Formats: sequence, C-alpha cells, structure tokens
Amino acid sequence: QKEVEQNSGPLSVPEGAIASLNCTYSDRGSQSFFWYRQYSGKSPELIMFIYSNGDKEDGRFTAQLNKASQYVSLLIRDSQPSDSATYLCAVKNNQAGTALIFGKGTTLSVSS
Amino acid sequence: SAVISQKPSRDICQRGTSLTIQCQVDSQVTMMFWYRQQPGQSLTLIATANQGSEATYESGFVIDKFPISRPNLTFSTLTVSNMSPEDSSIYLCSVVGQIDQPQHFGDGTRLSIL
Repeated sequence: QKEVEQNSGPLSVPEGAIASLNCTYSDRGSQSFFWYRQYSGKSPELIMFIYSNGDKEDGRFTAQLNKASQYVSLLIRDSQPSDSATYLCAVKNNQAGTALIFGKGTTLSVSS
Repeated sequence: SAVISQKPSRDICQRGTSLTIQCQVDSQVTMMFWYRQQPGQSLTLIATANQGSEATYESGFVIDKFPISRPNLTFSTLTVSNMSPEDSSIYLCSVVGQIDQPQHFGDGTRLSIL
C-alpha cells in the first residue's frame, strides 16, 4: 500500500512567520513530488513541484526533498492570512499512466 | 496550463438515480483522471480514463458503479450510478497535458444525495 503521510494540523502561525509543512511517503520508487493548496470549497491548485533532492524556491515558497529519508517539505515565508488553506502533498511513481497519490493534507491557519 | 471545465458544478439527487459528470479540456491532454473527495477527507483516485478503451479502476471502485468514458483527448465523463447518501462527495476531473507535466484539476462537482 503506497502511503503519503501528513500531519493534519491545524498548524497555526502568526502573520509574517515561516510556516513549515511536512510530508513522508512510503514508495521508494516515487520520483515526482507536488504541493497543492486547497481553499475551503475549492479544488486543489498546484503551487510547487520538485523532482530532485535539495531545495526549489518560487517566490515565498520553498520545496525541500530528501529521497533517502523519503521526506518532502514546503516552507512558506512571510506567511499571510491569504495562505490559510489546506496543503496537500502528492507523490508520483512516474511509471506511464500513473496518477498522484495524495496525503490527507495539513490545514494552515495564519493569524493577522 | 489547460483550462478544465466540469459540469455540473453541483447537484442534489435522489437516492437510486444516476448522474453523469462531464469534463471538457480546451486542449488535447495525455492523461485524464477522476478523483473523489469525501467531506473533510483528501482525494481518492477513482480511475484513469483511457482514450478509446475501458477505464482503469482503483481498488474499491467498479465499472458498474462508476462508468467512465473518454471518446477523445479532450473529453471524459464519469457517471455515478444508483446513488446512495454515501456517494455525497466532490468529484474532480484531473488532467496531465504532456507526460512529464503536473496534474491540474477542474473546479469539481459537488454532489449531494438525499
């Protein structure tokens, strides 16, 4: 059973702080890793993806991947109240035709 | 990324009836998937919609309950058959444009069964 684990939260941070969201996965064959943001009542929106070990930065977001530890994280710098949402971690094995496997998501609350 | 249109956006249905959800993409895509998101839960893959052939279903989902069509590279339908209150969920269409690109989601269909 391929699993993706996330702490459900809620993770509460003050405005301007760094939010750190973590995810572990069980399938060592996973090659692609994604973070989606989902606002209440909306569909998931892709915000970051990472394929190689290390860090990948995009604006206020940084994704970190450690394949040896089967661990991927998302850092949100200068957190804003508009970042309050559920963040879904998803992984993919990259075999042809495979879909993403999602974690249960972490709810982030940024207070002003 | 591709524009994904799902219809209907929401519906309230009677127990025992069936509903077909449509997913239309504005460009050809390689992969199309259908997910379910039950209240307060994450996304569960129902099936991969295969163009011109039978869909590939995940464990726990069967064709008789969730028939899927994909007649071409831009369109797919999911039918939820013989509905019961347990089928009340959000159903999401997801696509991959090119084989190495990320998945993107439609706005979803919010389904309630009375």
